[in-house]
Amino acid sequence: DAGVIQSPRHEVTEMGQEVTLRCKPISGHNSLFWYRQTMMRGLELLIYFNNNVPIDDSGMPEDRFSAKMPNASFSTLKIQPSEPRDSAVYFCASSLGQGGSTGELFFGEGSRLTVL
Amino acid sequence: QKEVEQNSGPLSVPEGAIASLNCTYSDRGSQSFFWYRQYSGKSPELIMSIYSNGDKEDGRFTAQLNKASQYVSLLIRDSQPSDSATYLCAVKQNRGSTLGRLYFGRGTQLTVWP
Repeated sequence: DAGVIQSPRHEVTEMGQEVTLRCKPISGHNSLFWYRQTMMRGLELLIYFNNNVPIDDSGMPEDRFSAKMPNASFSTLKIQPSEPRDSAVYFCASSLGQGGSTGELFFGEGSRLTVL
Repeated sequence: QKEVEQNSGPLSVPEGAIASLNCTYSDRGSQSFFWYRQYSGKSPELIMSIYSNGDKEDGRFTAQLNKASQYVSLLIRDSQPSDSATYLCAVKQNRGSTLGRLYFGRGTQLTVWP
């Protein structure tokens, strides 16, 4: 079975450009999470959706970040405009149950973003 | 105060030794606790979960929980070089607006040398 699929795997862009990260969760999973990982701050939850509805977006750093989940099989995380401090690995994860009630999150391979 | 705290390490142990990884959490109402393993350049994967006080064993791995002390640990017996990774402690919140949210520690980097 396919796991969580993220694209692109690597993105290098210049400050001020728009970045769109994409995620396809595991079929049948009803919760989707976007995390950001850096050496300094570790793994931070940005936003999570349950049944395509955003439940908790308190981790979204600022208005430059937005996330959508138009259907059960697709989500996007957009950064506009991007800044060098946004450089990180962005993980998408999915799970069964609200908020990952089992605690088992299945992570994608991540999108490594570098903003110059 | 951070929600979940771990010693960042690195922790270095010889092959065959016991590796002990520790984690403390701030929300006394937390009910669910997890250990994820993350190899360098890869994504985290769940290896253990524990919900009640005491020990839970799974092969060479033992998770220990002490809710009174708000402390979770992971013991790896007979450590192997393939266990070299970063271990992330995660705690599931069970209150208010953060119901169900998983908080991760920053991870402890473990190196097992042959």
